[in-house]
Amino acid sequence: DIQVTQSPSSLSASVGDRVTVTCRASQSIDYYLNWYQQKPGKAPRLLIYAASSLQSGVPSRFSGSGSGTDFTLTISSLQPEDFATYFCQQTFSTPMYTFGQGTKLELK
Amino acid sequence: QVQLVQSGAEVKKPGSSVKVSCKASGGTFRSYTINWVRQAPGQGLERMGGIILMLGTANYAQKFQDRVRITADDSTSTVYMELSRLRFEDTAVYFCTREAVSGNYVRWYDPWGQGTQVIVSS
Repeated sequence: DIQVTQSPSSLSASVGDRVTVTCRASQSIDYYLNWYQQKPGKAPRLLIYAASSLQSGVPSRFSGSGSGTDFTLTISSLQPEDFATYFCQQTFSTPMYTFGQGTKLELK
Repeated sequence: QVQLVQSGAEVKKPGSSVKVSCKASGGTFRSYTINWVRQAPGQGLERMGGIILMLGTANYAQKFQDRVRITADDSTSTVYMELSRLRFEDTAVYFCTREAVSGNYVRWYDPWGQGTQVIVSS
C-alpha cells in the first residue's frame, strides 16, 4: 500500500496566521491527493481534490499544491472556524486509498 | 444533491456481528461507488472497503478481508456494512461515503454519512 505521512501531527496557531500542512507519499502519486477537514463529532469535509482544486463552497483562503510525492495545504489567514483536524488522502492506488494520520490545528 | 444517512449507534458484545446501513438519496443510486471508512477514538481514518453499485462488486482492505461484508439493496437505495467477530478494538465511528470520479480519473470522497458509533463492550 502507498503510505502517506502528514506533518506536523499538531499545530498551534492564532487567528489571522498563515498555516501550512504537508503530506508526503511513499511513491509518486501524480496529483491524486485530496485534503479533508474534520471537526469533533462530525464527518470529514472535502476541501481540496486533485492536489489543488478547491471544492465548491470552500473558502478561497484554503489552497493546495504539489505533485509527485510532496503536497501542501495552506490556509492563508486562519479564521476561528478553521480550528479542526486535517487529513490528506491518496487516490492513486485504486481502490486502496490511504489517509494521512491527521494534523490537529489548535488555537494558540 | 446526494445525501447519505446512516443507522444509529450500536453496542455489541465481543465475538458478535454488527450491520450498519447507509441510505442514499438525491441521485442515481446505481451510479455510485460507496466506501466505508472507520475512525477509532482519537485516531485517523481507515478505509475498510467499498462497493461498485453498477457492478454489484465489493472490494475490501486486506486487514478486514475475512471479517467484513458490504452489500446493497437497490430497492431501498441502501448500502450495508457487516463486520463480524467483533473485538474491543473495533470500537469506532463508521462512515459511509460516496466515491466521486472526474473525467480524468481523479477521485475523492464526497459526501459522507453522519457516522455510526459502534461500541464493543462485554
